[in-house]
Amino acid sequence: GQQVMQIPQYQHVQEGEDFTTYCNSSTTLSNIQWYKQRPGGHPVFLIQLVKSGEVKKQKRLTFQFGEAKKNSSLHITATQTTDVGTYFCIYAGGTSYGKLTFGQGTILTVHP
Amino acid sequence: DTGVSQDPRHKITKRGQNVTFRCDPISEHNRLYWYRQTLGQGPEFLTYFQNEAQLEKSRLLSDRFSAERPKGSFSTLEIQRTEQGDSAMYLCASSRRNDLGELFFGEGSRLTVL
Repeated sequence: GQQVMQIPQYQHVQEGEDFTTYCNSSTTLSNIQWYKQRPGGHPVFLIQLVKSGEVKKQKRLTFQFGEAKKNSSLHITATQTTDVGTYFCIYAGGTSYGKLTFGQGTILTVHP
Repeated sequence: DTGVSQDPRHKITKRGQNVTFRCDPISEHNRLYWYRQTLGQGPEFLTYFQNEAQLEKSRLLSDRFSAERPKGSFSTLEIQRTEQGDSAMYLCASSRRNDLGELFFGEGSRLTVL
């Protein structure tokens, strides 16, 4: 079956340092979405990647989708305390293909 | 506010009781998802609907769980004979598109089973 691993599980950084989280799949993904969940909050959509090799930027955030569509990354440049939270990738699968499954998440803490 | 709304936000119940959660998606959103999230874990997929059709249900769900979306608008998630292990946040999300678009999440319904 489809296996997607998200790493690392935790990341502690000093404010101003960069941060990257990765989602790696054993099979080709149709697309991938990234979400952020603040402590005590609900997941909030950040981006969707569809095309092979796609790169999208949102201010300090850079999202990539691998050429083989088996891996994706979220990179934050110069972290700020407001970046604290858990970052999840979500991928499609399942028998009906509409099942959207969360990766394990990466918990980011930023020390001022 | 026209976002996804969930009711109740908090529910405390005794083991063995039945509980029902309601989710009102964003108007005209075709897809509706239910997830369960326990502390420190990522949301686990439970089930999803396209309009009124329930297209997939997780094997994680036992027969005690049932979800409906009778008119393709709001949805209910019922848990029968609750167990302490059912304590979690139950998240509902809706999506406008049929081709895996952005999920809009509600604030969740937190269940505590004593």
